[in-house]
Amino acid sequence: KQEVTQIPAALSVPEGENLVLNCSFTDSAIYNLQWFRQDPGKGLTSLLLIQSSQREQTSGRLNASLDKSSGRSTLYIAASQPGDSATYLCAVRRSSNTGKLIFGQGTTLQVKP
Amino acid sequence: NAGVTQTPKFRVLKTGQSMTLLCAQDMNHEYMYWYRQDPGMGLRLIHYSVGEGTTAKGEVPDGYNVSRLKKQNFLLGLESAAPSQTSVYFCASSPSGEAGGPETQYFGPGTRLLVL
Repeated sequence: KQEVTQIPAALSVPEGENLVLNCSFTDSAIYNLQWFRQDPGKGLTSLLLIQSSQREQTSGRLNASLDKSSGRSTLYIAASQPGDSATYLCAVRRSSNTGKLIFGQGTTLQVKP
Repeated sequence: NAGVTQTPKFRVLKTGQSMTLLCAQDMNHEYMYWYRQDPGMGLRLIHYSVGEGTTAKGEVPDGYNVSRLKKQNFLLGLESAAPSQTSVYFCASSPSGEAGGPETQYFGPGTRLLVL
């Protein structure tokens, strides 16, 4: 059974710092992995999607990497800003035909001005 | 283009009452999903649908039923609510990709349900 774990559960950093969020999964047979952002009381917004054949994806100040063999993904946020404060969730998708996602518990990030 | 909408936004039920949560999407997506989110447990898939008229069980289907009579709507029903069903419920939809499978999921704003 696929299990997804995110460590740490919460993180507080000063503005401007570069930071890394971690995601690990137990079954390397994945179709893709996604990182989502969730603001308090809101739904999820997709940030980056990495296909199983890819090593990384970048969008602006965000960079996500994938190492299937070790069951790990990292989300790197450069030059963090207070507006980055949110909960970040990773999710893995095993199958190409149903889209079912297995989510981690999330990391709640606070960026202090 | 409203994306994915959920009705209601918040509801309080007594144990044993029934209710239906409505999810609607105006993006003509084939796939739709219902998740629940509990503190410290991330999101867990309840039921999903790969097209109009189809439904399938997810990780935690017990106590819930769903229907997808129209492509744009996905209904989640609680026949006899229990306190363990207190949660935030999210609906999502996704289009078909080039290979025919689903692509990125788009989420609604959520429904907060409290069962007393």
